[in-house]
Amino acid sequence: AQSVSQHNHHVILSEAASLELGCNYSYGGTVNLFWYVQYPGQHLQLLLKYFSGDPLVKGIKGFEAEFIKSKFSFNLRKPSVQWSDTAEYFCAVNGPGNTGKLIFGQGTTLQVKP
Amino acid sequence: ETGVTQTPRHLVMGMTNKKSLKCEQHLGHNAMYWYKQSAKKPLELMFVYNFKEQTENNSVPSRFSPECPNSSHLFLHLHTLQPEDSALYLCASSQEGRGVGGETQYFGPGTRLLVL
Repeated sequence: AQSVSQHNHHVILSEAASLELGCNYSYGGTVNLFWYVQYPGQHLQLLLKYFSGDPLVKGIKGFEAEFIKSKFSFNLRKPSVQWSDTAEYFCAVNGPGNTGKLIFGQGTTLQVKP
Repeated sequence: ETGVTQTPRHLVMGMTNKKSLKCEQHLGHNAMYWYKQSAKKPLELMFVYNFKEQTENNSVPSRFSPECPNSSHLFLHLHTLQPEDSALYLCASSQEGRGVGGETQYFGPGTRLLVL
């Protein structure tokens, strides 16, 4: 069955540190990949997504992710985090078929210390 | 605000109760979704509706019964739930819902359900 794995469950960084959150998926076909973020007390919202073209995707708030097909990976990066980046981050992939189904990873809680 | 609202925000119910969760989207989308978010587990898709028709049922127990009367409204009817059904239930919507070009899903705030 298709699955998404996020390697880091809880990450603690100081402000200005660089961030990389790992995401691997198991599906071998054509995929659309997403990173969603949930800030404290807020809705889950899209951070960035890949569906075709340039494998380096830029999202909101300075985040980017790189799709590496050979590694089945879609890692999220930010060169310098801010306290306001404290949130839970979810990687997701479109499921097989054409139903709009999303399969999510377990999520990574990022805590940024001021 | 994402244009997707859910009521109630919190719900406590006994195992013999019947209750319903409501979701409404104001985005003109044609697809709506129910997800379950349990502690320490990935977000799980429960149901997908496209143009009011159910297109995905992710092996959800029959004590959860969805209803989609139109493209803007989605309900989840609950009856004889178990304590392990306690979770955050999220509703989402998207434009077409058919996996076209990596559609963005827009999520509501969720209903926090506690089953006693």
